[in-house]
Amino acid sequence: GAVVSQHPSRVICKSGTSVKIECRSLDFQATTMFWYRQFPKKSLMLMATSNEGSKATYEQGVEKDKFLINHASLTLSTLTVTSAHPEDSSFYICSADRGVRRETQYFGPGTRLLVL
Amino acid sequence: AQKITQTQPGMFVQEKEAVTLDCTYDTSDQSYGLFWYKQPSSGEMIFLIYQGSYDEQNATEGRYSLNFQKARKSANLVISASQLGDSAMYFCAMRFNNYGQNFVFGPGTRLSVLP
Repeated sequence: GAVVSQHPSRVICKSGTSVKIECRSLDFQATTMFWYRQFPKKSLMLMATSNEGSKATYEQGVEKDKFLINHASLTLSTLTVTSAHPEDSSFYICSADRGVRRETQYFGPGTRLLVL
Repeated sequence: AQKITQTQPGMFVQEKEAVTLDCTYDTSDQSYGLFWYKQPSSGEMIFLIYQGSYDEQNATEGRYSLNFQKARKSANLVISASQLGDSAMYFCAMRFNNYGQNFVFGPGTRLSVLP
């Protein structure tokens, strides 16, 4: 089956630093990837849609300068949390759209970010 | 606006019993997809089952079945013969326009299977 990986799985950083999270589709090409954020005991909230070769589409209320998304190839999308602050601490999950079958959104294992 | 409602924040079920997790949705789209995902404590999202809005048969995948009632806009998940490993968060999600890119998740239901 399709596999999506995320790296790192967890990261702890100091306030003010930037953190990059990678999302890779391992056995298929993904023209579209999605980035979600999940607070403890809450549901997933779509942050942005990442399209290969073009600018990401951000959901309302998500700061594009804060959460930089780059989809440089058909198998890799990156989310960079710039100048991270404690309120950015969260669980970030990516998913990739294979676009072949209807149930085509495959999720990565997630990245736990803790900003001190 | 598209919206998913899961009215049960938490559910308990005895091992080997069946359990139904409720999901209702609101959309004016005619073409949409409904999904159920399981999220264990590790955080990964595990796809369980899918139902298309035009599918006439209720979807089934092993111990999972989806009770799809289109007129009532409900898509309840039925888990038969519950196992201890079924304890997790369960999310109902909708993708409006089967080939579109927008995915909306419900608030989730935490299922606890008792031995």
